[in-house]
Amino acid sequence: EIVLTQSPATLSLSPGERATLSCRASQSVSSYLAWYQQKPGQAPRLLIYDASNRATGIPARFSGSGSGTDFTLTISSLEPEDFAVYYCQQRSNWPSTFGQGTRLEIK
Amino acid sequence: EVQLVESGGGLVQPGRSLRLSCAASGFTFDDYAMHWVRQAPGKGLEWVSGISWNSGSIGYADSVKGRFTISRDNAKNSLYLQMNSLRAEDTALYYCAKAHFPEWLDTGDYFDYWGQGTLVTVSS
Repeated sequence: EIVLTQSPATLSLSPGERATLSCRASQSVSSYLAWYQQKPGQAPRLLIYDASNRATGIPARFSGSGSGTDFTLTISSLEPEDFAVYYCQQRSNWPSTFGQGTRLEIK
Repeated sequence: EVQLVESGGGLVQPGRSLRLSCAASGFTFDDYAMHWVRQAPGKGLEWVSGISWNSGSIGYADSVKGRFTISRDNAKNSLYLQMNSLRAEDTALYYCAKAHFPEWLDTGDYFDYWGQGTLVTVSS
């Protein structure tokens, strides 16, 4: 199965700053990668699918890029509600797998 | 508004069974595949099982294959997960999730709507 490795494990930033989260796949997943946001006590929320497409209702400050094995989620200017855990997920190979998550915390 | 409401979780002894349910509303249920995704306490996400709109295609993670059975009843807008021979490592919050794409994808799908989850605890 494809292993997704997210980095860093924890990212400490201040509101207004730019966040860059990374997801690396153990083999190519083409562009079949998604990003989710999960806040404490809540279900995950789909942010980005197929590497760069924003899901319905997702603000423009969230953007995704990459293909093959290296992907990036960028939050252009952090809002207070953006501090959460972020997961990447691939659907290129069965079974679909998730990364271990990056915790974005307030500095 | 899409709503997914899970039920059926609880405390169960190792080796016993449990059946989870998910009631869906706010979308055309029989247009989409549905999935179960779990999250162990304090851990990440793990896809468990998926079923196509007409139950013609079904998949399981290796960790549950042979023990869990997914099913759906389109007339009742409901998804189910029958869990047998439960183990301590099955302890998790189980989410019902709607597939993003209408068609069944052999390699998996994204999940654009999730329920709030139902907690399964396997312990003696």
